[in-house]
Amino acid sequence: DAGVTQSPTHLIKTRGQQVTLRCSPKSGHDTVSWYQQALGQGPQFIFQYYEEEERQRGNFPDRFSGHQFPNYSSELNVNALLLGDSALYLCASSLGPGGPGTGELFFGEGSRLTVL
Amino acid sequence: TQLLEQSPQFLSIQEGENLTVYCNSSSVFSSLQWYRQEPGEGPVLLVTVVTGGEVKKLKRLTFQFGDARKDSSLHITAAQPGDTGLYLCAGAINKLSFGAGTTVTVRA
Repeated sequence: DAGVTQSPTHLIKTRGQQVTLRCSPKSGHDTVSWYQQALGQGPQFIFQYYEEEERQRGNFPDRFSGHQFPNYSSELNVNALLLGDSALYLCASSLGPGGPGTGELFFGEGSRLTVL
Repeated sequence: TQLLEQSPQFLSIQEGENLTVYCNSSSVFSSLQWYRQEPGEGPVLLVTVVTGGEVKKLKRLTFQFGDARKDSSLHITAAQPGDTGLYLCAGAINKLSFGAGTTVTVRA
């Protein structure tokens, strides 16, 4: 039973570039949430996708966008990268959007983005 | 401003000692979760508490949800090196919000 998989695991970009991160949810899960975790901080909620639509969004600018595909996998896109976007980007899957905290979130190992 | 404040930020203890980490907020949560995150990995759910005053035990870990559902604590008895990690609390209002975490190091 495959867990949540994310790619790439590490990447380096320069300011102004664009990046796409990918996530495959745990088998049987249909909901994907994305989090940004800066060094020494807890994860910050970016957005959640269910049925190929963005259902909830945290306090992140429009430079952060996403997509969910019919097979439930998801992408996170960040445009016009800033130094402050350097962080670990975590994908979490769950079964149904439900209410927050009502179901177990399964996290991937994350994609570590460094912006130079 | 963090919705959830965790304390202490860092904790280093000797194997066999007990420890308690705290998670506090001025907000009322419908539920609260505790996660542990090890270096290079994503957080792993330890427990979900939903009822004010609820106490849950998971082997040597004891979790308590405050009566007013604004705070929680995690107590580890006889800590082992394998308990080392970043402990995160997460509270649910309209979305799941995480605290900054407590880094626990258990020395052998």
